[in-house]
Amino acid sequence: GVTQSPTHLIKTRGQQVTLRCSSQSGHNTVSWYQQALGQGPQFIFQYYREEENGRGNFPPRFSGLQFPNDSSELNVNALELDDSALYLCASSLKGFYTDTQYFGPGTRLTVL
Amino acid sequence: AQKVTQAQTEISVVEKEDVTLDCVYETRDTTYYLFWYKQPPSGELVFLIRRNSFDEQNEISGRYSWNFQKSTSSFNFTITASQVVDSAVYFCALRGSQGNLIFGKGTKLSVKP
Repeated sequence: GVTQSPTHLIKTRGQQVTLRCSSQSGHNTVSWYQQALGQGPQFIFQYYREEENGRGNFPPRFSGLQFPNDSSELNVNALELDDSALYLCASSLKGFYTDTQYFGPGTRLTVL
Repeated sequence: AQKVTQAQTEISVVEKEDVTLDCVYETRDTTYYLFWYKQPPSGELVFLIRRNSFDEQNEISGRYSWNFQKSTSSFNFTITASQVVDSAVYFCALRGSQGNLIFGKGTKLSVKP
């Protein structure tokens, strides 16, 4: 399955953070979502074969990487209080009929 | 614009009751994909079902069933004989043009013993 680390993280405003995700074996696409308390997940961006393949309405201080070994990262610079949320990673196999996204357990980020 | 609306914010039922979670979607695409996910308190989104717009057959999986109606742009989810373990937040989602998922705000289901 999809794994994420760390489980919880506490940072202060202005700091930088890196969240990690390990995709399901064989999947070539990873998507990241931000879920604020009481809301549905919001799409941050998607990586396909190590290239950014789509992006939601998030500023450039949200960036990512996808590696050949099924792992990926979400980096957030200059943290703001509103960045406090659950960050979810999802992996999928891009292709017609087969791009169902499977989610990891998430990383809960608190910005103080 | 693509949008998913889950009008029910919270539903509370007693165990063994049937419950239906509503989902209304908006899209101009002629081919589209709809999903339901379950999010228990642990936080992980668990995939339940994927429905393609060109397949209008309703689906049943154990106590779960889904009613897809293109005429009303709805994709409702029914749990028959609910159990305490069904307590979770349920999200309906639409596949966006970037391959992303567009989620509704979710419906929190509480099943009381």
